[in-house]
Amino acid sequence: GAGVSQSPRYKVAKRGQDVALRCDPISGHVSLFWYQQALGQGPEFLTYFQNEAQLDKSGLPSDRFFAERPEGSVSTLKIQRTQQEDSAVYLCASSLEAQGSNQPQHFGDGTRLSIL
Amino acid sequence: AQTVTQSQPEMSVQEAETVTLSCTYDTSENNYYLFWYKQPPSRQMILVIRQEAYKQQNATENRFSVNFQKAAKSFSLKISDSQLGDTAMYFCAFMKWGNQFYFGTGTSLTVIP
Repeated sequence: GAGVSQSPRYKVAKRGQDVALRCDPISGHVSLFWYQQALGQGPEFLTYFQNEAQLDKSGLPSDRFFAERPEGSVSTLKIQRTQQEDSAVYLCASSLEAQGSNQPQHFGDGTRLSIL
Repeated sequence: AQTVTQSQPEMSVQEAETVTLSCTYDTSENNYYLFWYKQPPSRQMILVIRQEAYKQQNATENRFSVNFQKAAKSFSLKISDSQLGDTAMYFCAFMKWGNQFYFGTGTSLTVIP
């Protein structure tokens, strides 16, 4: 497809389970971002990749959150031992150039994660 | 730290009328970019308009224009001739050189037929 694709669209998990969220960025896009969007709030930055390198993970809320982009394309956000406060929409975005340019970010539809 | 403030949680406008959404930000940076994104109920964020801080001229994209006041750290979005498809959450976003986006809390805009 032409846009950023995220899967699954919805994920329900029991507290304590591990989850993995996938992001397929636009082909050729160098930069990839993950955001967490709580209900009624704006997206909050989690982490940033430039190709396969994770250059900024300052927004990850705890060591239960882990992201990877091993081949510089598809990225996975993993949350271990999920807790109820992890419930949110997780957005992935990609942009053509490395961070620092004025290139806009193209967003996926997000994954709505609900922790029971 | 950078903060982005959108003081209008909800707004409504009659179809074909004009509406202005406000956004203020706080930064010590001199070079940065500002964006308005639209998030319809389908949830995908769509870029509406962007502004480089070093440009004094206000950006315009068809019915969308901004009023960028750098000294006041204000970046409002004006939507002219509002259409039903403009109904969405609107997020103001700030990006400083070499760093990530900071989003405001959003303004929910409803266009009334």
